[in-house]
Amino acid sequence: AQTIHQWPVAEIKAVGSPLSLGCTIKGKSSPNLYWYWQATGGTLQQLFYSITVGQVESVVQLNLSASRPKDDQFILSTEKLLLSHSGFYLCAWSLWGGSSYEQYFGPGTRLTVL
Amino acid sequence: QQKVQQSPESLSVPEGGMASLNCTSSDHNFQYFWWYRQHSGEGPKALMSIFSDGDKKEGRFTAHLNKASLHVSLHIRDSQPSDSALYFCAASEHGSSGNKLIFGIGTLLSVKP
Repeated sequence: AQTIHQWPVAEIKAVGSPLSLGCTIKGKSSPNLYWYWQATGGTLQQLFYSITVGQVESVVQLNLSASRPKDDQFILSTEKLLLSHSGFYLCAWSLWGGSSYEQYFGPGTRLTVL
Repeated sequence: QQKVQQSPESLSVPEGGMASLNCTSSDHNFQYFWWYRQHSGEGPKALMSIFSDGDKKEGRFTAHLNKASLHVSLHIRDSQPSDSALYFCAASEHGSSGNKLIFGIGTLLSVKP
């Protein structure tokens, strides 16, 4: 069975500080990986997607970057946090890049920027 | 303007009742539609997908798609308190790069015991 793990569960950070969020998928080789951002009680916005190791595409610019250093790992980071970065960050995976394939979401990381 | 619009924003139904959620798209490039459910503090989970015109039933859940009008609905029969959650409609284009899903703003469903 596939499992998706996100870390940390929650973070409280200061404006201007760096950030690194992680996501690991076990039990599935070469998945497509995604990062989403969700404002509290709001809609989900896709930020990045990755089809293979070392390749990441940006969907929307939010002063964030993403990397895929391993087949099963996806990292979201920034060197300088803004207040607007607060929210719920979700990692997801799918089998293939086709639009008809379900995306499976992780448990999320709650980020509060003060 | 949101490409995927949902209504109502919130909905309260009694336990055992029927909940009806609506979704409309403004983009005829969208071919695939999904309903996701998110319980508080958790990641969303896909409930149903619907790609063809007509109805699709899975247990207590029935989705309906009208591609001509780009209208999708979700009906929950015999609603349970555990159905209380945020429901998202999501859409994607055929062959979209990165399997880009566009989500609506969600409908907050509350099922009262």
